[in-house]
Amino acid sequence: DTEVTQTPKHLVMGMTNKKSLKCEQHMGHRAMYWYKQKAKKPPELMFVYSYEKLSINESVPSRFSPECPNSSLLNLHLHALQPEDSALYLCASSRPASDEQFFGPGTRLTVL
Amino acid sequence: GQQLNQSPQSMFIQEGEDVSMNCTSSSIFNTWLWYKQDPGEGPVLLIALYKAGELTSNGRLTAQFGITRKDSFLNISASIPSDVGIYFCAGQPGSGAGSYQLTFGKGTKLSVIP
Repeated sequence: DTEVTQTPKHLVMGMTNKKSLKCEQHMGHRAMYWYKQKAKKPPELMFVYSYEKLSINESVPSRFSPECPNSSLLNLHLHALQPEDSALYLCASSRPASDEQFFGPGTRLTVL
Repeated sequence: GQQLNQSPQSMFIQEGEDVSMNCTSSSIFNTWLWYKQDPGEGPVLLIALYKAGELTSNGRLTAQFGITRKDSFLNISASIPSDVGIYFCAGQPGSGAGSYQLTFGKGTKLSVIP
């Protein structure tokens, strides 16, 4: 298995909802990432997990809460989001000590 | 923080033409990566470069890691309609591989006219 999968593909939520984004990889990668991408912009790093521990949090608001239950799974819990949080949310993974990050197809999030 | 200048921002070419795009930085990078992103999808890694002067091919794609370690270019030969998309360069600055934080260029949007 050589891919990163993400669910759901699309998500529409209200500002009072709680939802979760899921990411899975079975490549044995021990680093996993969440990125946010707005239209016509490059991906912006949000969080990095290394060996299931949070190693980087790029000053992301607390309404985004990451979780890494095991080495293959990465979740992003969403609560009380704002319309400006609407974006494509990308998950990526990489081997230890490698810069080559492999991205999933993304979740298109719309906050109403 | 680090910034990458990617150019051109967009380009329209005829099918069959060759394409060239590049990224430059004011500081040294240890790794250069080139990604392609289709609308509504995640970026796909095309080529990774790790050594200054390295020239690497992947089918019709060729990328080079600049000698100064401050630039990289990507060439696409004999373009076809499925080459349409946004191409991003990304680099790992400074201290070595595996520090997790890539710097991305702003992207080159490629349109191919059949």
